[in-house]
Amino acid sequence: DAGVIQSPRHEVTEMGQEVTLRCKPISGHNSLFWYRQTMMRGLELLIYFNNNVPIDDSGMPEDRFSAKMPNASFSTLKIQPSEPRDSAVYFCASSPGGETQYFGPGTRLLVL
Amino acid sequence: QKEVEQNSGPLSVPEGAIASLNCTYSDRGSQSFFWYRQYSGKSPELIMSIYSNGDKEDGRFTAQLNKASQYVSLLIRDSQPSDSATYLCAVNPPGGNEKLTFGTGTRLTIIP
Repeated sequence: DAGVIQSPRHEVTEMGQEVTLRCKPISGHNSLFWYRQTMMRGLELLIYFNNNVPIDDSGMPEDRFSAKMPNASFSTLKIQPSEPRDSAVYFCASSPGGETQYFGPGTRLLVL
Repeated sequence: QKEVEQNSGPLSVPEGAIASLNCTYSDRGSQSFFWYRQYSGKSPELIMSIYSNGDKEDGRFTAQLNKASQYVSLLIRDSQPSDSATYLCAVNPPGGNEKLTFGTGTRLTIIP
């Protein structure tokens, strides 16, 4: 079985540009999580969905961040406009229910 | 006080020795605890979960939980160079549904 798929794997953009990160969860998993990891703050949960519905978005830093899950096999995390402080590794993870989460390879974002 | 605290390390252990990784959490009602391993440049992967007080063993890994002291640890016996990684402690807070709160991780280096 394919694991969690994320794209792009690397993204370099300039401040002010829109960034869209994509995630395909493991088939059959009904929960999806977006995390951000930095050296200073570690791994932080941004938002999670259950059955395509956002359950907890308390970790979304500000209005510049938005996430959608239009169907069970696809989710996006959008940053508009991007800022240098958004530079981080963004992970998507999925879960079949319960608390075991399977992480994707991550997207390394650099905002210049 | 951080919700989940770990010593950031680095922790250096000779090959063949026991590596001991520690984690404390602030929410006394937490019920589920996890250890993830993250190699440099890779995504976190689950290696152990524990739900009850006491020890849980899986191969060379032993997780220990003491809810009264709000303390969870991971022991790695017969440490191998391939165990060199960052180890993340994660806690499912009460009422958090499937949400996990991660510590910032302990970087472990096994010295051949």
